[in-house]
Amino acid sequence: DTGVSQNPRHKITKRGQNVTFRCDPISEHNRLYWYRQTLGQGPEFLTYFQNEAQLEKSRLLSDRFSAERPKGSFSTLEIQRTEQGDSAMYLCASSEGAGETYEQYFGPGTRLTVT
Amino acid sequence: DAKTTQPPSMDCAEGRAANLPCNHSTISGNEYVYWYRQIHSQGPQYIIHGLKNNETNEMASLIITEDRKSSTLILPHATLRDTAVYYCIAPSSNTGKLIFGQGTTLQVKP
Repeated sequence: DTGVSQNPRHKITKRGQNVTFRCDPISEHNRLYWYRQTLGQGPEFLTYFQNEAQLEKSRLLSDRFSAERPKGSFSTLEIQRTEQGDSAMYLCASSEGAGETYEQYFGPGTRLTVT
Repeated sequence: DAKTTQPPSMDCAEGRAANLPCNHSTISGNEYVYWYRQIHSQGPQYIIHGLKNNETNEMASLIITEDRKSSTLILPHATLRDTAVYYCIAPSSNTGKLIFGQGTTLQVKP
């Protein structure tokens, strides 16, 4: 399967702990996006990379959140000092980023539960 | 990003065509209309996109009005597996980031 993969699929952590999620996009896709989805809501944009450059961050991405894409391939999203409000599904998507259209292909998500 | 408006829910009988409407009256001339769907507990799935002309692929057809202020996604023969939340989005052409609304929950019934 050459789709977008995310690890872990589920993470349970205690409030105050740090967590890190990984996203492996479709190879040769140079655009990578992170979204967050809470129960009953549509996904919300968090941040976007073009190759290794982080070009946009949502105001939702507080100082406790950091994302990297060091070699323009996989990406990590770290949450420091987790809070119960961080409980959500974290989704990663990638797209080719060439031409005028950018259909995005999503991974299965990482479900975070903060207790 | 242009604002889109969709009905919150729709029902469709299995085997029938499902027609999902979307209003995007503020769409600009170079903004595409994209459709995604999300089946329960899965990541969103790209369906189709278009600019001016009607489009068809193996999953669905997209009909865009001539003034581009609205569009309709058509699933020609809905199955129970098509039960999902369907999102109509007109993303920024600069970054491609998607702004999801509430979407339309389509329930396909036997």
